[in-house]
Amino acid sequence: GQNIDQPTEMTATEGAIVQINCTYQTSGFNGLFWYQQHAGEAPTFLSYNVLDGLEEKGRFSSFLSRSKGYSYLLLKELQMKDSASYLCAVKGDYKLSFGAGTTVTVRA
Amino acid sequence: DTEVTQTPKHLVMGMTNKKSLKCEQHMGHRAMYWYKQKAKKPPELMFVYSYEKLSINESVPSRFSPECPNSSLLNLHLHALQPEDSALYLCASSQGEGGEQYFGPGTRLTVT
Repeated sequence: GQNIDQPTEMTATEGAIVQINCTYQTSGFNGLFWYQQHAGEAPTFLSYNVLDGLEEKGRFSSFLSRSKGYSYLLLKELQMKDSASYLCAVKGDYKLSFGAGTTVTVRA
Repeated sequence: DTEVTQTPKHLVMGMTNKKSLKCEQHMGHRAMYWYKQKAKKPPELMFVYSYEKLSINESVPSRFSPECPNSSLLNLHLHALQPEDSALYLCASSQGEGGEQYFGPGTRLTVT
């Protein structure tokens, strides 16, 4: 089976840094994805990790440790537009399974 | 063109109606997906097509019937739906089955 855990909600101030953790237990592992989803809109792809380590892409970075079944998404220099749900998704043996999502609220 | 399009954006249908959702991509992707997403829940996989052939059916009720007429198009035919089928239906595509998926804007379906 698939078990993907991430916090339900996080709040941070504009300009700050927020780290969203994701732990997973899945049958098979073929990569971990992070998606951003604004309310009422489709998920948009943010990052992909398949090997251990940190992937940096502008203000967003994602880290993976396969031995620990752990990933995090780091959002730096937070902007109001970053208020959204962030979905951790793991590609297992045959399909992509999503965590429940972390709602990030950025306050001025 | 890095866009997945879906029509219609909104659909209201009765339990005896037959309707279809449409999805299109022109990125040359060979895998296409249907997901169902309820409010405040993550997307749930329904079907996967790979090279125009159905490769995964996540035990979806037969009142949902997918169709892939060609490599750019994916349809979802709906018949005799229940009110609990009301949700956001998302289409996605990827280069192959393992790659990052690009999602369309979704069709918000209400069954009355």
